[in-house]
Amino acid sequence: QKEVEQNSGPLSVPEGAIASLNCTYSDRGSQSFFWYRQYSGKSPELIMSIYSNGDKEDGRFTAQLNKASQYVSLLIRDSQPSDSATYLCAVNGPGTASKLTFGTGTRLQVTL
Amino acid sequence: NAGVMQNPRHLVRRRGQEARLRCSPMKGHSHVYWYRQLPEEGLKFMVYLQKENIIDESGMPKERFSAEFPKEGPSILRIQQVVRGDSAAYFCASSPHTDTQYFGPGTRLTVL
Repeated sequence: QKEVEQNSGPLSVPEGAIASLNCTYSDRGSQSFFWYRQYSGKSPELIMSIYSNGDKEDGRFTAQLNKASQYVSLLIRDSQPSDSATYLCAVNGPGTASKLTFGTGTRLQVTL
Repeated sequence: NAGVMQNPRHLVRRRGQEARLRCSPMKGHSHVYWYRQLPEEGLKFMVYLQKENIIDESGMPKERFSAEFPKEGPSILRIQQVVRGDSAAYFCASSPHTDTQYFGPGTRLTVL
C-alpha cells in the first residue's frame, strides 16, 4: 500500500466549475497535511496546509481533513485555466515528523 | 524576503563526474530538506538537515550521495560518480520550524 495515494488523472473540469481533488494516507500518526501545486517544469508551490479535522478555506481553495478516514481533499471553486497543473498531496512522516511524503499528484485540466 | 535559492538551475555531467547542488534557505529558516523528482514520478524525500547536523537521511542512497549544511554558507547535495539514473530534478525546501516547507526552483541534473 502506498503511503500517500492520489488519482493521477487527468481530471478535466470546465472553466468556472468546482474541481475536487482527493488524497488518502496510511500513517495514522501524521499530523500535518499540505497541498502543493506544480506547473510543468516548475517547483512545488504551497497552496494550503491543514492540521485539524474539518474544512479550511482560503480564497477559492478549501482543504478538508478527516483523520478517522485518513482522507484529505482540496476543492477549487470557480476553476480557471491557470489552475491547470499537477496538485500534490503531502503528509508529514513517517519517522521524522518534519519530512514530507508526497503522493504522485493529480493532473488537473481546466477547459474553456 | 528572497525565497529559497538553488544553483545551478541546470547541470549537465558525464557519467563518472561529480555533481554539486547548492541550496540557500529562506532568511530565518534553519531547516533544510532535499527531495528528488524522477521523470514522471513523485517527489521523494532524501535528507533533512539543520545547521551542521544531519537529522534524517533515510531517503538518501547508501552510496555516492552525501549532504551537508555548514555553519556558514549554503547546503550542498553532492553526488559522486554520477550515473544516468541520477538524472532528475533535485529540489531543496526550507522551513523556520519543523512544519511548512517552501521549495526552491530546483536543479535539473542531466547525466550524459
